[in-house]
Amino acid sequence: DAGVTQSPTHLIKTRGQQVTLRCSPKSGHDTVSWYQQALGQGPQFIFQYYEEEERQRGNFPDRFSGHQFPNYSSELNVNALLLGDSALYLCASSLGITSNQPQHFGDGTRLSIL
Amino acid sequence: TQLLEQSPQFLSIQEGENLTVYCNSSSVFSSLQWYRQEPGEGPVLLVTVVTGGEVKKLKRLTFQFGDARKDSSLHITAAQPGDTGLYLCATSYNFNKFYFGSGTKLNVKP
Repeated sequence: DAGVTQSPTHLIKTRGQQVTLRCSPKSGHDTVSWYQQALGQGPQFIFQYYEEEERQRGNFPDRFSGHQFPNYSSELNVNALLLGDSALYLCASSLGITSNQPQHFGDGTRLSIL
Repeated sequence: TQLLEQSPQFLSIQEGENLTVYCNSSSVFSSLQWYRQEPGEGPVLLVTVVTGGEVKKLKRLTFQFGDARKDSSLHITAAQPGDTGLYLCATSYNFNKFYFGSGTKLNVKP
C-alpha cells in the first residue's frame, strides 16, 4: 500500500524562477492538501484540492497555484520565486473533505531559493 | 495571534523522564489532532480527539482534550530517545482548512 509520494525531494532555484512540485496521494485517497513549512515552524496550509477543484485556500498569494488530475495526483506551482519561499513543501492526502479526516503526509520537497 | 499556541517550544530531557506538552487556544474546536514529525520526514498522525474531556492512550503517550475543547495536552511517560521529534497539534476550521501550531521540539537524551 503506497503512501503519499512527492517529487522531487530537493530542489534549488533562483529568485524570479518558477517551480512545479508533484504529489501522488495514498492509494484510495481523493483529496490533496499542500503545506509550506519554514524551518522551525509548523506547516502552513496553502490550499486543498478535491474533484480537481481548489476547495480551500490559506493566506498565500496568487503566485501559488495548483492542479489536481483525474487520477487524484496534484501539482503545486510557484511563480516569481522569492527568497522567502525557501521551505519544506508538504503534501497530505485524505479521503473526502469532511472534517476530522486523518491526513497522511509525504516526506516533502525541500525547496531552496538562491 | 496564533490560533494554536504550543508550549514549551523546546524540551530537552533524559531518557526515563516524564513530560507534558500543551496546545492552547481561545477558540473552541470540534476536534484536535496530534502529529509527530522526525527530521527529513512528514508529520505522522498520532491521534485525533473529538469529545471534551476525552483521554486517549497510545502506549506511553496520553492525550487529553480539555472539557471546553479549547486546549489539549500530550503526556509521555518514561521518555525514550525514539520519542525525539517535533510534536504538532492541528485543527480544521472553515470546512477542512487546517491549521497547525508551531510545535514542541523534543530531544530525549540517552
